[in-house]
Amino acid sequence: QLHLQESGPGLVRPSETLSLTCTVSDASISGSKYYWGWIRQPPGKGLEWIGTIYYSGVTFYNASLKSRVVISLDTSKNQFSLKLSSVTAADTAVYFCASDIAINWFFSWGQGTLVTVSS
Amino acid sequence: EIVLTQSPGTLSLSPGERATLSCRPSQSVSSSSLAWYQQIPGQAPRLLIYAAFSRAAGIPDRFSGSGSGTEFTLTISRLEPEDFAVYYCQQYGTSLTFGGGTKVEIK
Repeated sequence: QLHLQESGPGLVRPSETLSLTCTVSDASISGSKYYWGWIRQPPGKGLEWIGTIYYSGVTFYNASLKSRVVISLDTSKNQFSLKLSSVTAADTAVYFCASDIAINWFFSWGQGTLVTVSS
Repeated sequence: EIVLTQSPGTLSLSPGERATLSCRPSQSVSSSSLAWYQQIPGQAPRLLIYAAFSRAAGIPDRFSGSGSGTEFTLTISRLEPEDFAVYYCQQYGTSLTFGGGTKVEIK
């Protein structure tokens, strides 16, 4: 079981870029053992996979969000990040970071952080 | 995109009863590439089952998964008070998608 913690602004203006960071403990994100992902959950709704990154920097994105999403690594801080551009109210959600073995199931999750898109 | 349909939307049961939750993919999911999660309100999801029937570490054996192709089931043999929550299925055979969830509530 790994420990993951999301951080970032809780409020983002419409049309701007949402930026979140996930800090990982108990594992090195630059090792080849795990993949690192982002999932979101609008208030009162279900889960939506956003994308995943491997230690090599290879990324995999949800086709519906691909044009607006960038996931990257910061190995010096053992963190990975999410950037979602041109946000609207529909992007208001709890954003979770999580770890998996190979683009399959997520075995460790952060506690989640609520991001509200509003002017 | 593979759409996962979970049923029922809500299951009202008493502690000690058996819960049977269904997850139906819109097309066959390859190699039983299906997982189940439990989510208690205000918390992150917790992995219960992967590869359709393998229990994750630390998950009690009252939780079991079964199925293949276009029909999967999560069974909780005897509900404990801490099992009342929302359950999601997730497929990873083709990209990654989640079902809409089944809420298991106390009757």
